[in-house]
Amino acid sequence: DIQMTQSPYTLSASLGDRVTITCRASQSIGSWLAWYQQKPGKAPNLLIYKASTLQSGVPSRFSGSGSGTEFTLTISNLQPDDDFATYYCQQYNNFPLTFGGGTRVEIK
Amino acid sequence: EVQLVESGGGLVQPGGSLRLSCAASGFTFSSYGMTWVRQVPGKGLEWVSAISDYGTTTHYADSVKGRFSISRDNSKNTLSLQVDSLRVEDTAIYYCAKNRYGSGSYVDYWGQGTLVTVSA
Repeated sequence: DIQMTQSPYTLSASLGDRVTITCRASQSIGSWLAWYQQKPGKAPNLLIYKASTLQSGVPSRFSGSGSGTEFTLTISNLQPDDDFATYYCQQYNNFPLTFGGGTRVEIK
Repeated sequence: EVQLVESGGGLVQPGGSLRLSCAASGFTFSSYGMTWVRQVPGKGLEWVSAISDYGTTTHYADSVKGRFSISRDNSKNTLSLQVDSLRVEDTAIYYCAKNRYGSGSYVDYWGQGTLVTVSA
């Protein structure tokens, strides 16, 4: 199985900050990576697929990059209410599909 | 508008069974793969199972293989997950999700989840 490792586990940031979350795969997955945002008590929401393609309706302050085994999600200009949440990466290159452990972005 | 509404969760004893259902609307159900993802409250996401558009291909996480069975009824726009031989560690919120493409795709829409609690 492909292991997905996210870092950091928790990230403290202020409004307007630019933050980066890293996701590493235990073997190459090409660009078959998605990012999701989840707020407390809610279902996850798709942000990015194919490593860098923004899902329709997602603000352009979210961006993704990477290929192979290393990927990043960058959030520019952190916004209140919208961006303080937990973020998950997921590989869909091989079954079983696997998620990273999540990164919680909290207000400093 | 895509809607996915799960039902069937509840409290069950270890070794018991449940059948989770997901009613889908707002899209052509038979054109997309579907997925179940679970989440222990307060913990991370775990991919559980996926099924192709016509149900001919299914996939399972190792942790549920042989105990869970995914199926779909395209005439009723319904996805199901039969969960047998339940263990305490199966306690989680179970999300029904629509794939962007086939069974091996990322998810583009999620239901709100149904809670399964396995406890004596």
